[in-house]
Amino acid sequence: AIQLTQSPSSLSASVGDRVTITCRASQGISSALAWYQQKPGKAPKLLIYDASSLESGVPSRFSGSGSGTDFTLTISSLQPEDFATYYCQQFNNYPPTFGQGTKLEIK
Amino acid sequence: EVQLVESGGGLVQPGRSLRLSCTASGFTFGDYAMSWVRQAPGKGLEWVGFIRSKAYGGTTEYAASVKGRFTISRDDSKSIAYLQMNSLKTEDTAVYYCTRSTSQWLVRIDYWGQGTLVTVSS
Repeated sequence: AIQLTQSPSSLSASVGDRVTITCRASQGISSALAWYQQKPGKAPKLLIYDASSLESGVPSRFSGSGSGTDFTLTISSLQPEDFATYYCQQFNNYPPTFGQGTKLEIK
Repeated sequence: EVQLVESGGGLVQPGRSLRLSCTASGFTFGDYAMSWVRQAPGKGLEWVGFIRSKAYGGTTEYAASVKGRFTISRDDSKSIAYLQMNSLKTEDTAVYYCTRSTSQWLVRIDYWGQGTLVTVSS
């Protein structure tokens, strides 16, 4: 199975900061990567699909990039509602796999 | 508005069975593949299984950890997907999410249900 390694595992930042989370795949997955946001006690929510496409209704401060093995999720200016856990997921191969998550906390 | 509502979770003893349901609304259920993803308490996300639409044979895929024990099925007339879980183990304890896939071949998720908690314990 393809392993996805997210870094960092946790991150403290302030409102207004620019934040970047990376996701590295153990083998190439083209652009078959999604990013999700999960808040405590809630279901994950799709933010980015196909590595760089913004899901409808998601604020434009979120962006994704990368292909092959290295991917990034960037939040250009953190808002209070962005403090959550973020997961990447590859869907290029079976089984689909998720990164271990990055917990974004308020500094 | 797309909605996925899971039900059927609860406390079950090891070795027993449980069936989860996912009732869908807001889209043409029969046109979509559906998938189940679980999350153990305090842990990350783990894909469980996938079912294609009837137009693509209604075929299924499963994670190695559940293959042979779990079965996914669908009733398009009721817009419901099911997850039949047999021979449950304590490590199956998790919140189970029903998800919609935008692809019939890849687990390309766009919507998630709110989840239902399954606790396997004696």
